Amino acid sequence: ETGVTQTPRHLVMGMTNKKSLKCEQHLGHNAMYWYKQSAKKPLELMFVYNFKEQTENNSVPSRFSPECPNSSHLFLHLHTLQPEDSALYLCASSQFSIGTGTSASEQFFGPGTRLTVL
Amino acid sequence: AQSVAQPEDQVNVAEGNPLTVKCTYSVSGNPYLFWYVQYPNRGLQFLLKYITGDNLVKGSYGFEAEFNKSQTSFHLKKPSALVSDSALYFCAVTGGGADGLTFGKGTHLIIQP
Repeated sequence: ETGVTQTPRHLVMGMTNKKSLKCEQHLGHNAMYWYKQSAKKPLELMFVYNFKEQTENNSVPSRFSPECPNSSHLFLHLHTLQPEDSALYLCASSQFSIGTGTSASEQFFGPGTRLTVL
Repeated sequence: AQSVAQPEDQVNVAEGNPLTVKCTYSVSGNPYLFWYVQYPNRGLQFLLKYITGDNLVKGSYGFEAEFNKSQTSFHLKKPSALVSDSALYFCAVTGGGADGLTFGKGTHLIIQP
């Protein structure tokens, strides 16, 4: 496998279910991201991990819980979601510059998980 | 706070004609600017970026973009459009640091045969 992979590609869940989205990057990057893409809304950054440490949480509800066990894997744990959480969830990775403390490199995206909450 | 504006929801261009997709941005400090393309049921694909240097940046599939600091713009261009260029295009900006990108809402580009 190359690039960024996400599983599952499609997920339908009820509001009381617990599920997890998985992302894996094969690019040797040290930063990973979760984004939410809803119809007619800009792409929303949810979580950022640099060197496995979470550095940003854009006021995401606690029903979304990220986990980054190593620099190649990223999970998004879901519980008691609402129908408005239905969206395409995209994972991305990039190389964060240690020396300059910047993320000027491009992000590589996975194909996304299409989530439907009933 | 950083922000991106893509003023057009949709751009229609005839095949073979030049195309422009507009983007303006707001950021503290020097901007790092990106263009991405998204085809149906796919993730975003990187097209090009401006970090520093020449204002005209060339990228994948014959696309280019021009950085204009005074107008805070980073418009995407292509001299001759192809039907296969039809997709959703996103402009994005970061001011550096450990932040992720801030994306515009996207512009649907439709190339008519």
